[in-house]
Amino acid sequence: QSALTQPPSASGSPGQSVTISCTGTSSDVGGYNYVSWYQQHPGKAPKLMIYEVSKRPSGVPDRFSGSKSGNTASLTVSGLQADDEADYYCNSYAGSNNVVFGGGTKLTVL
Amino acid sequence: QVQLQVSGPGLVKPSETLSLTCTVSGGSTSGYYWTWIRQPPGKGLEWIGYIYYSGNTNYNPSLKSRVTISADTSKNQFSLKVTSVTAADTAVYYCAKNKVAFDSWGQGTLVTVSS
Repeated sequence: QSALTQPPSASGSPGQSVTISCTGTSSDVGGYNYVSWYQQHPGKAPKLMIYEVSKRPSGVPDRFSGSKSGNTASLTVSGLQADDEADYYCNSYAGSNNVVFGGGTKLTVL
Repeated sequence: QVQLQVSGPGLVKPSETLSLTCTVSGGSTSGYYWTWIRQPPGKGLEWIGYIYYSGNTNYNPSLKSRVTISADTSKNQFSLKVTSVTAADTAVYYCAKNKVAFDSWGQGTLVTVSS
């Protein structure tokens, strides 16, 4: 199984929106609605932000939203804030009880 | 809210076995997958494998030959062993609770493979 493809970096100004993509195949992202997104600040453990493509856990602001089209999932962060600056990782179920992560995207708030 | 705490040696010699334990508190282990994930310094996340509360396990195919995950339900702990380690196994190792996503994570522990 290969890692999902994410852009290495993304950026936006405070208040703007930014979208991060996560591209896989029909064997993972495209085949299942089990895509999740994680936020990781430096030196910290990842935090679940989106699960099952578009669902938000309790406590995650509605500025964070997820979607999927074909083999590509996306995370959109609206109304960018300074604290949104972090690394973001996507994850997908890949069949046969395996999962796969994306390579990560560093989000910079300008 | 369940809490997870990773413990184990921070330094392992090449060719030896890396052993870590994750202690779960504040909740039941039933109905969940208990997972190990690692992150080499400056790099991305890699799923290592899981143990289901029933005892079933599954491993990343790329690591399967060297990895064993086990559980001690009486102590609410699950463990990771990686054999024949090399410098490429140097990473922060996390344990996590998973049902449909990794919704709770331990703090992570850096394991360095070096002589």
